[in-house]
Amino acid sequence: AQKVTQAQTEISVVEKEDVTLDCVYETRDTTYYLFWYKQPPSGELVFLIRRNSFDEQNEISGRYSWNFQKSTSSFNFTITASQVVDSAVYFCALTPISGAGSYQLTFGKGTKLSVIP
Amino acid sequence: NAGVMQNPRHLVRRRGQEARLRCSPMKGHSHVYWYRQLPEEGLKFMVYLQKENIIDESGMPKERFSAEFPKEGPSILRIQQVVRGDSAAYFCASSPGWVEPKKAYEQYFGPGTRLTVT
Repeated sequence: AQKVTQAQTEISVVEKEDVTLDCVYETRDTTYYLFWYKQPPSGELVFLIRRNSFDEQNEISGRYSWNFQKSTSSFNFTITASQVVDSAVYFCALTPISGAGSYQLTFGKGTKLSVIP
Repeated sequence: NAGVMQNPRHLVRRRGQEARLRCSPMKGHSHVYWYRQLPEEGLKFMVYLQKENIIDESGMPKERFSAEFPKEGPSILRIQQVVRGDSAAYFCASSPGWVEPKKAYEQYFGPGTRLTVT
């Protein structure tokens, strides 16, 4: 079974501050994918990134960056110079690449980020 | 825009009625997934379908819930005799499967259907 923990329920930052959203996961699978999704107030889920377990290279996309550390089972997400439009609930998710439960995304409970102007 | 489409966006049903939720996957996607988002519980997997096949329904409640993805037309999530506890947001996602191996595991979500049972 998989488990994803997002310990931060809510975070508030002032615009232009950097913010890191934490994600810790548990799995017995040796190969798996990790994801981040954004759910803005309008309610849809927006895919942000997929990372596989055998690639620990960090990734940067504009103001977004992701830090994957297999040794600590963490996949943290940092927003640099936050903007009001970043206000949303952010979900971390996991799926094994093969075997039982593959393709099922297991989600954390989400972190609600509020960026204050 | 060929995103995942869901309808209706909002659905109100009285206890005991049936709810039918529809999902049209992204163009070129043949794999469909349904998830439910209950207040305070987060998103939970329900079922995974390919055309005319249920691949994994381990997250579906044993009674009253069913899903299909016919050869033609959208995927349907059907809830019979709805109860207040069924009130939730239901999300559909799609992926290309192994037609695009590099994106096989990337699930793209629709806007959701908010079901309210009165």
